[in-house]
Amino acid sequence: DAGVIQSPRHEVTEMGQEVTLRCKPISGHDYLFWYRQTMMRGLELLIYFNNNVPIDDSGMPEDRFSAKMPNASFSTLKIQPSEPRDSAVYFCASSTNRGETQYFGPGTRLLVL
Amino acid sequence: GENVEQHPSTLSVQEGDSAVIKCTYSDSASNYFPWYKQELGKRPQLIIDIRSNVGEKKDQRIAVTLNKTAKHFSLHITETQPEDSAVYFCAASQGGYQKVTFGTGTKLQVIP
Repeated sequence: DAGVIQSPRHEVTEMGQEVTLRCKPISGHDYLFWYRQTMMRGLELLIYFNNNVPIDDSGMPEDRFSAKMPNASFSTLKIQPSEPRDSAVYFCASSTNRGETQYFGPGTRLLVL
Repeated sequence: GENVEQHPSTLSVQEGDSAVIKCTYSDSASNYFPWYKQELGKRPQLIIDIRSNVGEKKDQRIAVTLNKTAKHFSLHITETQPEDSAVYFCAASQGGYQKVTFGTGTKLQVIP
């Protein structure tokens, strides 16, 4: 198995632009998580899905952020419009229903200028 | 919701010495406590976990202890090596509920 796949690995954009981050979880995993990591705030859970359904989005910072999971093998995190304070590493992780171990993707390093 | 506090934020030890990282949690319903290691520029990876029905768990040079009454748990690394240098995160969850709350991380530096 290739593990959790994220794209792009690096993204540099200008303030106001739309950013879309993509994630492919490990096949057979029922849970998918989106995290944001910064030096100041550490590792923050933004949203997670179970069987493609959003369960808890209380960590989503504001309306500029949205996430979807149209099927079991794909999820997106969108920021529109992006702001410099959104600069961070965004991780996607997945886990099975019967175990709690979360497997993280390599992350997307986002820089908003 | 759950709140996890982690100490210290940074830790330097000489190679071969032991390192201890401590965490406390607030929600008595939490019953699953994983530890993740994140090397510089890499993703967090699970290194050990413990459930609330166990007080201690060991895996080679690493061990985790849990005190449910006091709501704290600790990571112990013995005979530290330079490759142990990384950021370590503790976390807590209610197991099947799946939402995991992470601590703020401890940057461990092992000095050769």
